[in-house]
Amino acid sequence: DADVTQTPRNRITKTGKRIMLECSQTKGHDRMYWYRQDPGLGLRLIYYSFDVKDINKGEISDGYSVSRQAQAKFSLSLESAIPNQTALYFCATSGVAGTTDTQYFGPGTRLTVL
Amino acid sequence: QKEVEQNSGPLSVPEGAIASLNCTYSDRVSQSFFWYRQYSGKSPELIMSIYSNGDKEDGRFTAQLNKASQYVSLLIRDSQPSDSATYLCAVNLDSNYQLIWGAGTKLIIKP
Repeated sequence: DADVTQTPRNRITKTGKRIMLECSQTKGHDRMYWYRQDPGLGLRLIYYSFDVKDINKGEISDGYSVSRQAQAKFSLSLESAIPNQTALYFCATSGVAGTTDTQYFGPGTRLTVL
Repeated sequence: QKEVEQNSGPLSVPEGAIASLNCTYSDRVSQSFFWYRQYSGKSPELIMSIYSNGDKEDGRFTAQLNKASQYVSLLIRDSQPSDSATYLCAVNLDSNYQLIWGAGTKLIIKP
C-alpha cells in the first residue's frame, strides 16, 4: 500500500464550489505539506504543518485553507473555487523532528475548475 | 528572494551517453540538496540527496555539490530511454524543513 495517499485523484468542479482534497500518510511523519504544480512553474508551497497544532502559510495560501485532523491526515480546502486554481495538487510528508528533511509525495490530485 | 534555478530544457541526450543536469541556488545558508525525478502527470520521486561538498554516487547517478559556487548537479551515466523525465532540484530553506524548488529540466533520451 502507498505510504502517502490522496483523494480524490481527479476532480472537475465549477466556479464558486467548495472543494476538499484529502491526504493521509502511514509513514509516521510529523511534517506535512500541500503544493500545487502548474506547467513550467514547478512546485509552489500552499501550506505546511509541523504537527497537529502547528500550521503555516506557504508561498501561495490565498484562496486556500487547511486542517490537520491528526498526525496522519492533512486536508486542503478551496472555499470558493476559481478557474485559476486549476492545477495538479500534491501532498508531501517529511520525517520526525530532528531527522532528514527529505519529502515524500502522494500521487497527486488533478483539479479542474470550470 | 531565495531562488533555485534550472534550465528548463528540453535536454536531448543519446542513449548510453552521460546526461548532465545543473541547478544553481541563491541562499548561501542552504544545507540540504535534493534531486527528484518526475514523469509526466506523476508525483516527484527522490533520486538523491546530498549534504556535503563533493560527489555522491548511487548506481548510475552522481550528485555533485559545490557550496562555494552555489551549484548542485546530477550526472546520469549510461542514459536509458526510461530516464526521460523532468528532473527537479530542491534546496532546503535554512533549517525549517521547507524546500525551495526549481522549475525542473526536461530530459529526453533518444534511442
